[in-house]
Amino acid sequence: EAQLVESGGGLVKPGGSLRLACEVSGFSISIAWMSWVRQTPGKGLEWIGRVKTKADGETTEYASPVQGRFTISRDDSKNTFFLQINRLTTDDTAVYFCVTERSWYDVDSWYLWLGPWGQGTLVTVSS
Amino acid sequence: DIKMTQSPPSLSASVGDRVTITCRASQSLARFLNWYQQKPGKAPELLIYAASRLQSGVPSRFSGSGSGTDFTLSISSLQPEDFATYYCQQSYSSPWTFGQGTKVEIK
Repeated sequence: EAQLVESGGGLVKPGGSLRLACEVSGFSISIAWMSWVRQTPGKGLEWIGRVKTKADGETTEYASPVQGRFTISRDDSKNTFFLQINRLTTDDTAVYFCVTERSWYDVDSWYLWLGPWGQGTLVTVSS
Repeated sequence: DIKMTQSPPSLSASVGDRVTITCRASQSLARFLNWYQQKPGKAPELLIYAASRLQSGVPSRFSGSGSGTDFTLSISSLQPEDFATYYCQQSYSSPWTFGQGTKVEIK
């Protein structure tokens, strides 16, 4: 059974940095696109970005609000992927989920969805 | 970015009721629309992908329909374990975006 476990969350001062890790078991992440999603009471669920497989160039994509401050990377040898967050602001306070992207091919389209998910790790940005 | 609008934001229903939640996209998604269920303190879980395909292990009382800009999640007979918050999410184009959620509460 697939399991994703986040670590690295906690209390950070504004302007600080944090690196979240997501350790995966039950399948090899080398064949999967991996994403991060965060959740706040005010903004709901927000997709942060993804890192594609090595076969797909290990390309990363990010949502506009985090572009330039957030970096997603992967270490397939450790079956783990990461989210580096720099220049934290209070707006980054959220529960951060790591999640894999799965797909299904029908006719001439690939349909993608998010899951399974990690349990989430809380990041609190406060002075 | 594609904006997703769910309605209603919340609803109260009784066990055994039929429940319908709608999701509207700001542009056509074809059938690139997923539905998730989230319980308090837990991560979201996939219910429906590609607008109408039931994820393995999800009870058949859940169903999804729609295409283009308008989609529906239905629960045919609400069960106690179904009280949760439901989200739609588009997978038509990056960045993926979610609806704001519909909280289903006990009446």
